[in-house]
Amino acid sequence: QVQLVQSGGGVVQPGKSLRLSCAASGFTLGIYAMYWVRQAPGKGLEWVASISHDGGNINYGDSVRGRVTVSRDNSRNTLYLQVNSLRDEDTAVYFCAADVAPMSTLKYAMDVWGQGTSVTVSS
Amino acid sequence: QSALTQPASVSGSPGQSITISCTGTSRDIGSYQHVSWYQQHPGKAPKLMIYDVTSRPSGVSNRFTGFRSGNTASLTISGLLAEDEATYYCSSYSSRSSLLVFGGGTNLTVL
Repeated sequence: QVQLVQSGGGVVQPGKSLRLSCAASGFTLGIYAMYWVRQAPGKGLEWVASISHDGGNINYGDSVRGRVTVSRDNSRNTLYLQVNSLRDEDTAVYFCAADVAPMSTLKYAMDVWGQGTSVTVSS
Repeated sequence: QSALTQPASVSGSPGQSITISCTGTSRDIGSYQHVSWYQQHPGKAPKLMIYDVTSRPSGVSNRFTGFRSGNTASLTISGLLAEDEATYYCSSYSSRSSLLVFGGGTNLTVL
């Protein structure tokens, strides 16, 4: 069964850090570009970060650039998102997702999604 | 405010067809092939319905059709079913500093 299983969310104080994980099963994560997308409560989707299949091409959204780091360990079939200096506006459900196309072709289209993990920034 | 503009809501009766528009600019929809559409039911992860403007992923019904004219992309759903009731988001690659932009979402009600 092709799936992405996420972990690492929770309630975090402002200014603290958090690392989210996204483990693939049923497919080889290492041949797909991967994405992080978030959704604030009652709001729409917001692209956070993308990383190419080999980690050589990384990009971040304007609202998080400088505070987040996306990385991957293809040997562990796992994607990560490190979020630092958390702010109230980072409160959201974070989704990881795999590109629809394998290898170097980034379609910027997300075909396999994780279940989402909730991050709440609160003192 | 979202980079791409979608209507807040649309509705249709079972069996009818509806079209959802997504308006961008020459910096996104008008210039790039990477236009996608997602369906999201409450409390669930989004589901990819259309990518590369018109392509359907394996397993997506051919009742869903995407197309583009200028800076506006559209999603047409034909033969509406109750299960189509959801929120639909468009996205596009962009030449802005944020490489991927989304629309604000359109709530589809099947009457």
